[in-house]
Amino acid sequence: NAGVTQTPKFQVLKTGQSMTLQCAQDMNHEYMSWYRQDPGMGLRLIHYSVGAGITDQGEVPNGYNVSRSTTEDFPLRLLSAAPSQTSVYFCASSPSGLVMDEQYFGPGTRLTVT
Amino acid sequence: GIQVEQSPPDLILQEGANSTLRCNFSDSVNNLQWFHQNPWGQLINLFYIPSGTKQNGRLSATTVATERYSLLYISSSQTTDSGVYFCAVRRLGGNQFYFGTGTSLTVIP
Repeated sequence: NAGVTQTPKFQVLKTGQSMTLQCAQDMNHEYMSWYRQDPGMGLRLIHYSVGAGITDQGEVPNGYNVSRSTTEDFPLRLLSAAPSQTSVYFCASSPSGLVMDEQYFGPGTRLTVT
Repeated sequence: GIQVEQSPPDLILQEGANSTLRCNFSDSVNNLQWFHQNPWGQLINLFYIPSGTKQNGRLSATTVATERYSLLYISSSQTTDSGVYFCAVRRLGGNQFYFGTGTSLTVIP
């Protein structure tokens, strides 16, 4: 199993550009989520999904969109990038959307918006 | 949301020393995990421990859910233990995880 994979590893955007961060898992996990990590801070939840076709907002959803058309994939879209979105983005998955247990994290995407 | 506080924020240890990291949370939880973020940024699962005690080699963890805290013990620390340790909790009845701001550990030879 590859576990949770994220692409790209690094990205530089100009203000106003759009892009999609990719996340995939091959563990047949129902629950997937996106976090951002800013310097000196813990991770904050952006969006999450308890199963295909179901998404919901986390703590800091503004400026981000998600969709979950398959169990395996959970892309995060930045519609119009802003410097405040410079951060490291982590995707995570866990087995069940109903009774969550361990979350497993991808390697992260380091995004810089200039 | 739920408040998650970790202490101490920073810790410097001599190799071989022991340490205790603490995680306090403000509400009832049914899910708690400890993670180690290594110097390359990778998040590594240490323990899934909503209650009770677990041990894995030199590391052990205890969660007292009724008193809303968890402890992570590191014994005989090694330089490879350096990094940031996070706890994350899910409130009872909730769907979201909340992270603490972490304890930054530096182990010097």
